Amino acid sequence: KNQVEQSPQSLIILEGKNCTLQCNYTVSPFSNLRWYKQDTGRGPVSLTIMTFSENTKSNGRYTATLDADTKQSSLHITASQLSDSASYICVVAGGGATNKLIFGTGTLLAVQP
Amino acid sequence: DARVTQTPRHKVTEMGQEVTMRCQPILGHNTVFWYRQTMMQGLELLAYFRNRAPLDDSGMPKDRFSAEMPDATLATLKIQPSEPRDSAVYFCASGLDSSYNSPLHFGNGTRLTVT
Repeated sequence: KNQVEQSPQSLIILEGKNCTLQCNYTVSPFSNLRWYKQDTGRGPVSLTIMTFSENTKSNGRYTATLDADTKQSSLHITASQLSDSASYICVVAGGGATNKLIFGTGTLLAVQP
Repeated sequence: DARVTQTPRHKVTEMGQEVTMRCQPILGHNTVFWYRQTMMQGLELLAYFRNRAPLDDSGMPKDRFSAEMPDATLATLKIQPSEPRDSAVYFCASGLDSSYNSPLHFGNGTRLTVT
């Protein structure tokens, strides 16, 4: 069964600290892996998209890694800010005609002053 | 900034009533998705359109839900009759199908409450 699992479910960190969110998937065939940030009351916003051949991709203070062999990805947030408080959703695009997206249930991050 | 627009943002209705949610995708995008988000299930795909043609609606309860794209600037999701278990946030998203690696752009959702 195609699944995307994220850990931890929730996380609290102090402003200025770094953190790493994890994503494991069992989706096959694989097309790409995406990280989205969802603020409360808003729709998800794309942070990164990585294909099979990409190991790392950065977007400002966000750095995503992908190990396609172990089917694991991580999202590292550097020097966290209060505005980083949000849900971070890992999404895997399966190959095929409809390019179906499999969503994880997200990691809820709270950055405290 | 181009964005996906969804209306209404909030809807409260009584069980049995018809609900219509609307979405204006980003101009030029040829794929449109409807998702439902709940605390328990996360984001679930309800319907997927490419070039206005429905490609996947397997996640949608077909006895009460229907999704259409009357034209390239409007997608609708209807629930008739609505039930309390339909209470959720419904998101529309659009994207470019020319590359499987293009991001989806989400609207800010319609929060539906059925009493």
